[in-house]
Amino acid sequence: DTEVTQTPKHLVMGMTNKKSLKCEQHMGHRAMYWYKQKAKKPPELMFVYSYEKLSINESVPSRFSPECPNSSLLNLHLHALQPEDSALYLCASSQDSTAGRSGNTIYFGEGSWLTVV
Amino acid sequence: AQSVTQLDSQVPVFEEAPVELRCNYSSSVSVYLFWYVQYPNQGLQLLLKYLSGSTLVKGINGFEAEFNKSQTSFHLRKPSVHISDTAEYFCAVSDSTGIRTALIFGKGTTLSVSS
Repeated sequence: DTEVTQTPKHLVMGMTNKKSLKCEQHMGHRAMYWYKQKAKKPPELMFVYSYEKLSINESVPSRFSPECPNSSLLNLHLHALQPEDSALYLCASSQDSTAGRSGNTIYFGEGSWLTVV
Repeated sequence: AQSVTQLDSQVPVFEEAPVELRCNYSSSVSVYLFWYVQYPNQGLQLLLKYLSGSTLVKGINGFEAEFNKSQTSFHLRKPSVHISDTAEYFCAVSDSTGIRTALIFGKGTTLSVSS
């Protein structure tokens, strides 16, 4: 069962709000990812967590704050966002963060649609 | 550095016709290759992947792809498409050297199937 669950599916927030996106997987994966996708564009990597530690931050503004409370959960805390941050935010997971022998397929969730007003 | 080029941004096709979505990659090391599909207003779903072995890879929904190392290509094919195949298709590569898995995506190809 390859499933990554994201909540909420839709979120509308004001520029002064604080909100969080949540992601959960029960596949025993030890790497989890946040991607941002604008309309008609490919996903762009934001953060990678490996064994619950932040391993990659692709120069994402500090108004986005990731958190990995345990190996199954990944959060993205949002604060003081701008309208241009409106996008689909995709969570993903894989066995670990190195390609290795398995090819380490990355599985994506359905995404959270964020609108900043 | 690795990169992926999807040669067609849009591919219109009639139902039951064959289709090929083209993908070329560039890498100085061995790679793993993937095709993902994104239906309207949904997340990404893995169609198929090439890790090693047979160069012809079969995926879900009747899709297949062929890895061609000399041409550095990984084109996606389906012999007969359905209306329900209308979606965005992304080719992606990951580094097989073990440094990091994070995918590098092509810009996507919009497949539009009409009756």
